[in-house]
Amino acid sequence: GAVVSQHPSRVICKSGTSVKIECRSLDFQATTMFWYRQFPKQSLMLMATSNEGSKATYEQGVEKDKFLINHASLTLSTLTVTSAHPEDSSFYICSARAQSDTQYFGPGTRLTVL
Amino acid sequence: AQKITQTQPGMFVQEKEAVTLDCTYDTSDPSYGLFWYKQPSSGEMIFLIYQGSYDQQNATEGRYSLNFQKARKSANLVISASQLGDSAMYFCAMRDSSASKIIFGSGTRLSIRP
Repeated sequence: GAVVSQHPSRVICKSGTSVKIECRSLDFQATTMFWYRQFPKQSLMLMATSNEGSKATYEQGVEKDKFLINHASLTLSTLTVTSAHPEDSSFYICSARAQSDTQYFGPGTRLTVL
Repeated sequence: AQKITQTQPGMFVQEKEAVTLDCTYDTSDPSYGLFWYKQPSSGEMIFLIYQGSYDQQNATEGRYSLNFQKARKSANLVISASQLGDSAMYFCAMRDSSASKIIFGSGTRLSIRP
């Protein structure tokens, strides 16, 4: 089946720094990718929809200036958490939608902000 | 607006028994898709089964089957002959034709007892 990778799998950073997370579709092209956030023992909450070559669509309550999304190619979307704070610590999961309309999930990135 | 409800936060089942995980949904769109995902402690989202709103028969994938009752807007997951490896979080999810995104229920933590 189709594979979606995320890098890094884990990251620890200091408060105030920025962190970039990459999401790649390895064997298919994805015009649309999605970024989710999951707090411990909770469900996945959609943060934004990323479309190749255009601006991301953010869900209500998600700060677009804090969570910068770039979808520069058909196989890569990046999420940058700017000026990270401890409350941004979470599990971030991306997914990519293939031409078949099936959505494949990445393995997730665990962000810890000290 | 779409909504997914999972009312069972946790379940304990004896190994080899069948288990049903409940899921109800709400949407005004006549065309939609329902998904079940498994999330083990590693965090990856594993796709289990899909049911389209116009599918005449209930979806089945190995030990997984989806009990789709359209009039009641329910899409329960049935796992037959449970195994210890089935212990994980299970999420019901939905995507309708008006939205490109998948939204998730709150999840059910399934624990299989030996």
